[in-house]
Amino acid sequence: AAGVIQSPRHLIKEKRETATLKCYPIPRHDTVYWYQQGPGQDPQFLISFYEKMQSDKGSIPDRFSAQQFSDYHSELNMSSLELGDSALYFCASSKAPQGTGANVLTFGAGSRLTVL
Amino acid sequence: EDQVTQSPEALRLQEGESSSLNCSYTVSGLRGLFWYRQDPGKGPEFLFTLYSAGEEKEKERLKATLTKKESFLHITAPKPEDSATYLCAVGGGGFKTIFGAGTRLFVKA
Repeated sequence: AAGVIQSPRHLIKEKRETATLKCYPIPRHDTVYWYQQGPGQDPQFLISFYEKMQSDKGSIPDRFSAQQFSDYHSELNMSSLELGDSALYFCASSKAPQGTGANVLTFGAGSRLTVL
Repeated sequence: EDQVTQSPEALRLQEGESSSLNCSYTVSGLRGLFWYRQDPGKGPEFLFTLYSAGEEKEKERLKATLTKKESFLHITAPKPEDSATYLCAVGGGGFKTIFGAGTRLFVKA
């Protein structure tokens, strides 16, 4: 079965540079989530999109932006990179929450960003 | 503010030594309590969803239970391959799923 695809898997950037991460959700999943996970830390929710519209916002820095495209893939753009941005960035997808229950998230393998 | 607290931070067990992981949560309107397993350098992998107090779910050596304030992940007779970080998460308002810091489980043969 197709899973959530993230690219690139590894990325090395210098301070103040820009990086773009891509996420391709599971087919027929209409919701995409971005999480940031520092070493030994829990995944921190950044932002989510449903049907190409931002649906929720977490601790995403102003230097970061994201969008979901017509084919449901999503991109996370990070500018003016700082050393502290070094982390694993996970994308997850799901069908939109229905009724009173939240949906299970299926995660990609992650993109490891290293800022030097 | 929605919050998830997991304990202990790390747990070392001998193979066959059963134990439990705790997840305490505060959320305005619980829309699901989730357990995920995460191996180093990989994305979290879904284990269980619990929606109401008193609910229990089992999968091989794992059993998850839920009360109004906390959830337990019981591990019966663990094996070395059960070594991983176990993450608890809650579905809160909107599209957010909030994760706890996880419990790192080490099972020694």
